[in-house]
Amino acid sequence: DAGVIQSPRHEVTEMGQEVTLRCKPISGHDYLFWYRQTMMRGLELLIYFNNNVPIDDSGMPEDRFSAKMPNASFSTLKIQPSEPRDSAVYFCASRPPGRSYEQYFGPGTRLTVT
Amino acid sequence: SQELEQSPQSLIVQEGKNLTINCTSSKTLYGLYWYKQKYGEGLIFLMMLQKGGEEKSHEKITAKLDEKKQQSSLHITASQPSHAGIYLCGADIRGNKLVFGAGTILRVKS
Repeated sequence: DAGVIQSPRHEVTEMGQEVTLRCKPISGHDYLFWYRQTMMRGLELLIYFNNNVPIDDSGMPEDRFSAKMPNASFSTLKIQPSEPRDSAVYFCASRPPGRSYEQYFGPGTRLTVT
Repeated sequence: SQELEQSPQSLIVQEGKNLTINCTSSKTLYGLYWYKQKYGEGLIFLMMLQKGGEEKSHEKITAKLDEKKQQSSLHITASQPSHAGIYLCGADIRGNKLVFGAGTILRVKS
């Protein structure tokens, strides 16, 4: 399997623009997680899905952030409008059924908002 | 996460030396997970510990869980340059999701 795939790997955008990050989980995994990593706050869970349904979005910073999972093989995290403080590395991770918390992480998307 | 404290924040060791990284929780642990991250890459799962006193090893890396102390330690024996990276502990303390420590940056000098 190719592992968790994220695109783009790097994104540079101007403040106020819409940003869409994409994730393809490992086939057969039923959980999908979106994380954000910064030097100041470390690795933070934003939202997670189970069988394509959002379960907990309490980590989403504000209404500018939204995430969808239209099917088992694709998820998006959207920021609209983007702000410089959104600059971070965004990770997607997936987890197989019945395997506790052995999450498999994607390579991340490094977002820079100028 | 302030719920998980990792120490030290960073570490520089000479190749061949042993080292220990600690992870302490402010809440009851239901599971402790160690991950390694290389700069610019995602996290790689190392080990999972669930029971007090449990100890697991993978190659030269050993992790232990002291449930009473709500603490875990990661020990690397005879460190190598390939061990360099960021080590993060993650814990199940909120139910069905992980919180992570701030990470420990490890550098190994040849």
